[in-house]
Amino acid sequence: DVKVTQSSRYLVKRTGEKVFLECVQDMDHENMFWYRQDPGLGLRLIYFSYDVKMKEKGDIPEGYSVSREKKERFSLILESASTNQTSMYLCASRPTGARNEQYFGPGTRLTVT
Amino acid sequence: EDKVVQSPLSLVVHEGDTVTLNCSYEVTNFRSLLWYKQEKKAPTFLFMLTSSGIEKKSGRLSSILDKKELFSILNITATQTGDSAVYLCAAAGGTSYGKLTFGQGTILTVHP
Repeated sequence: DVKVTQSSRYLVKRTGEKVFLECVQDMDHENMFWYRQDPGLGLRLIYFSYDVKMKEKGDIPEGYSVSREKKERFSLILESASTNQTSMYLCASRPTGARNEQYFGPGTRLTVT
Repeated sequence: EDKVVQSPLSLVVHEGDTVTLNCSYEVTNFRSLLWYKQEKKAPTFLFMLTSSGIEKKSGRLSSILDKKELFSILNITATQTGDSAVYLCAAAGGTSYGKLTFGQGTILTVHP
């Protein structure tokens, strides 16, 4: 079974703090994704990576950056957290190939106060 | 801009009822349509549809895609309380990276 893990289930941070969200997958997938999920808006893509050190902006990259130094690990960074970044953050991975199915981690609920 | 719209946004039914969830999409270079179920944890994969008119079935759940009209439906028959969840529809398009565009989700609540 594919396993995607995220470093924290719940996180509370203060405005202005630098925040790191970590995601690790154990299936040697090339592609990894970060989404945020908000009520009524569904999942929105923040960034994705298709290889080590390669990244692409998604639909809402403002205020975020990412790092992929190793194939299994994809980090989302909030350089200076703001209250409007309070959300559920979901990481996903998938192999390169015909199937578009993504495998999701359990999510990190981030609250910025 | 790619867009996926789900309806209804929420639905409350009683056990035994049949429900139909709708998903319409506008995606450049459409490849496939996916359905996920999300309880209070990671979304779990239900179906992937690539061809029009071919029903995919898993137990009481079934789904079909209409590529001409750009929509998909997810049917759940004889609903159970364990079907209560958020159902997410996503369309894959464009690159080989498998970028998905998600709809808002449908919150299904099944009462005993």
